[in-house]
Amino acid sequence: NAGVTQTPKFQVLKTGQSMTLQCAQDMNHEYMSWYRQDPGMGLRLIHYSVGAGITDQGEVPNGYNVSRSTTEDFPLRLLSAAPSQTSVYFCASSFLRQGNNSPLHFGNGTRLTVT
Amino acid sequence: RKEVEQDPGPFNVPEGATVAFNCTYSNSASQSFFWYRQDCRKEPKLLMSVYSSGNEDGRFTAQLNRASQYISLLIRDSKLSDSATYLCVVRENTGFQKLVFGTGTRLLVSP
Repeated sequence: NAGVTQTPKFQVLKTGQSMTLQCAQDMNHEYMSWYRQDPGMGLRLIHYSVGAGITDQGEVPNGYNVSRSTTEDFPLRLLSAAPSQTSVYFCASSFLRQGNNSPLHFGNGTRLTVT
Repeated sequence: RKEVEQDPGPFNVPEGATVAFNCTYSNSASQSFFWYRQDCRKEPKLLMSVYSSGNEDGRFTAQLNRASQYISLLIRDSKLSDSATYLCVVRENTGFQKLVFGTGTRLLVSP
């Protein structure tokens, strides 16, 4: 059971370049999400999805796009990288249940540097 | 006021010590609470859920005080391997049940 698989682990981009961070889960989770983690700021939600074909914005969506064509995959696209997007990115997934005490399962993270 | 607040630490304790962390949350309608552990340069991992009645998992005890809107984590008999950052996480009772993360409390256990 692979859990949440995130690639790449590391990436360096120049300002203005675009790229896609991949995320896949094999736990049949309905909910998938992307977070960024910056020093002193905690994890902040970028985008999330509650099922295939459904996505919505989180707290810090600007500069990022997502799509959810399948239950398993939830890629995050940086349209035109900026130095402010230098961060550690985590993909996370969980079940959606009534009452929802379902915890998040995280991928290993992607360390992105934009120069 | 931050939605979830934690003392960033670091808490420096010797092996075998008991240490407690608190976390406060601002949204009284929050419905689920968790403690996650994050090792340096790794992903967060669930340590334990927090229930109103309090719950224990080995050396770890979590408590929830809804009236005062705080959550605590007690670690007994600290081990070197407990050194990590502990994240307080609150699930809000909003449309998509947003999870809000605290910035974490760093624990350093020394020999």
